[in-house]
Amino acid sequence: DAKTTQPNSMESNEEEPVHLPCNHSTISGTDYIHWYRQLPSQGPEYVIHGLTSNVNNRMASLAIAEDRKSSTLILHRATLRDAAVYYCILLHGGATNKLIFGTGTLLAVQP
Amino acid sequence: ETGVTQTPRHLVMGMTNKKSLKCEQHLGHNAMYWYKQSAKKPLELMFVYNFKEQTENNSVPSRFSPECPNSSHLFLHLHTLQPEDSALYLCASSQHGTGGRTEAFFGQGTRLTVV
Repeated sequence: DAKTTQPNSMESNEEEPVHLPCNHSTISGTDYIHWYRQLPSQGPEYVIHGLTSNVNNRMASLAIAEDRKSSTLILHRATLRDAAVYYCILLHGGATNKLIFGTGTLLAVQP
Repeated sequence: ETGVTQTPRHLVMGMTNKKSLKCEQHLGHNAMYWYKQSAKKPLELMFVYNFKEQTENNSVPSRFSPECPNSSHLFLHLHTLQPEDSALYLCASSQHGTGGRTEAFFGQGTRLTVV
């Protein structure tokens, strides 16, 4: 399985944009880039995913580098409720959807 | 509410007890998963079920016994656990066969304490 590298922690101020980076230099052509987050004492929740093009949804935006070796999750206006561990995970475009979690990035949001 | 329901939310059990964790999803998914999350550690994938058949067991000790009677329900039977088995146990479901094109949904987890 291709690996991802994320910073252990990041800090942001409330109502400011947050850019969470992820490196995946060994990504293969059929790997999808998924982002999940885990709020304290809860199960992970899906945030966004993409293959090659940038993606937007109601929660966030995903910017994918042209060579696909890195990506950035963008929270446009951080709120206190966005404080969580954010996981960047590669999913092969085959049959299985199993998620292998790394340590993720712990995002702290300051009021 | 994610569509994946786990019960109980909290469980305290002695090392000689037998208990079961339950997971239920009504999302029409055909793949279900058990994960373990110990304190300050990443989630560890324990078991994978596709179309009710176990397709992956990641070297999980036999004191953990999964059961998948149908595509909507998943159980984790526990017996003679150790204190180091105390953790958050998470269930997830997804649609098998879609590769990375669709997302997985997680339950809120069962916080297990073994005394």
